[in-house]
Amino acid sequence: AQKVTQAQTEISVVEKEDVTLDCVYETRDTTYYLFWYKQPPSGELVFLIRRNSFDEQNEISGRYSWNFQKSTSSFNFTITASQVVDSAVYFCALSVGFGNEKLTFGTGTRLTIIP
Amino acid sequence: DAGITQSPRHKVTETGTPVTLRCHQTENHRYMYWYRQDPGHGLRLIHYSYGVKDTDKGEVSDGYSVSRSKTEDFLLTLESATSSQTSVYFCAISLSDNQPQHFGDGTRLSIL
Repeated sequence: AQKVTQAQTEISVVEKEDVTLDCVYETRDTTYYLFWYKQPPSGELVFLIRRNSFDEQNEISGRYSWNFQKSTSSFNFTITASQVVDSAVYFCALSVGFGNEKLTFGTGTRLTIIP
Repeated sequence: DAGITQSPRHKVTETGTPVTLRCHQTENHRYMYWYRQDPGHGLRLIHYSYGVKDTDKGEVSDGYSVSRSKTEDFLLTLESATSSQTSVYFCAISLSDNQPQHFGDGTRLSIL
């Protein structure tokens, strides 16, 4: 069985600070995908990124970056120069095998950016 | 917005009544999914569909049934609602099983 752990339930930082959200996953499969979703206060879920197990390259998209390390089974998400609009609940998710139809989600991290 | 409409957006009903939630998509995506979101659990997959009349169970399928008679519509039915099914329900779609899922805005269901 697979599992995703987001140990940080809630994080608060002052605007413009950098913040890292942790995600640790468990699976015995060698082929899998990892995801991050954002859920702003309005409630919808927004897809941010997908990474497969064969690609450990880190990714940067504007102020967002993701660090994938198979050695520690982690897929951490960093927001640089945080803004109030980054306040949301962030979910990490895992799917095993080549299909992405069965996602296992973590319990989420609520991020609050203080102006 | 990925062209997904969930209806109703909010519903309050009583224990023992049947409830049907609808997910409608305009993207012509093959895959559709139903999740529930509960505090402390994140999102959990209830059922999904990989084509018209083709469905499969997810992690928490007990007490739920689904139907997909058209590509664009995926219905979730609680035959006899229980208080434990009070939750926020999300529909998602994906073009194929190898593409990311995109979510609707959710339906808040309260069962008294």
